[in-house]
Amino acid sequence: DAKTTQPPSMDCAEGRAANLPCNHSTISGNEYVYWYRQIHSQGPQYIIHGLKNNETNEMASLIITEDRKSSTLILPHATLRDTAVYYCIVRAKNSNSGYALNFGKGTSLLVTP
Amino acid sequence: DAGVIQSPRHEVTEMGQEVTLRCKPISGHNSLFWYRQTMMRGLELLIYFNNNVPIDDSGMPEDRFSAKMPNASFSTLKIQPSEPRDSAVYFCASSSPAGGAFFGQGTRLTVV
Repeated sequence: DAKTTQPPSMDCAEGRAANLPCNHSTISGNEYVYWYRQIHSQGPQYIIHGLKNNETNEMASLIITEDRKSSTLILPHATLRDTAVYYCIVRAKNSNSGYALNFGKGTSLLVTP
Repeated sequence: DAGVIQSPRHEVTEMGQEVTLRCKPISGHNSLFWYRQTMMRGLELLIYFNNNVPIDDSGMPEDRFSAKMPNASFSTLKIQPSEPRDSAVYFCASSSPAGGAFFGQGTRLTVV
């Protein structure tokens, strides 16, 4: 799996957009970018994933650079409940053999009032 | 769907005892994962199954740990005998080929 690099921590004011970067310069053509978050004392929560096109859902937007070497997760209007550790994971997806996610240290996002 | 269901939520046991953690994945998901989380080591993948078959168990720390998936709706993670260093939160997750993995609320294991 391609290695990812994330800043250890970030702050964001409530109501503002939170932009969480992730570098994955060794990503290969069949690898997807997944984002998860873990709120204290809860299980990790799936947010979004993408291959090369930008993706948006009800939780967030995922912007992947054209060369796919980096991506940004955007929480458009951060709330206090978005305070969590955010994990960027790169993994190939094989529908025949399944896939596994290896979590790194992630980015600890603190949303402040 | 109720999501991934794990039981028990909390378990306190004495060193040397057998511990069994249980997981019911989301219906229709064909992959199941067991993770362990500690402050020191973060989230570690222990083992994962695809279509009830173990695919990769290289993360299982030692022979005291074993996992089974007898059918598509149930999996167990067993520790025998348990040791204090096994104290952690154990998460089960399931996924379909098309999407992300969904995690249960975890089992907090304390071995005294």
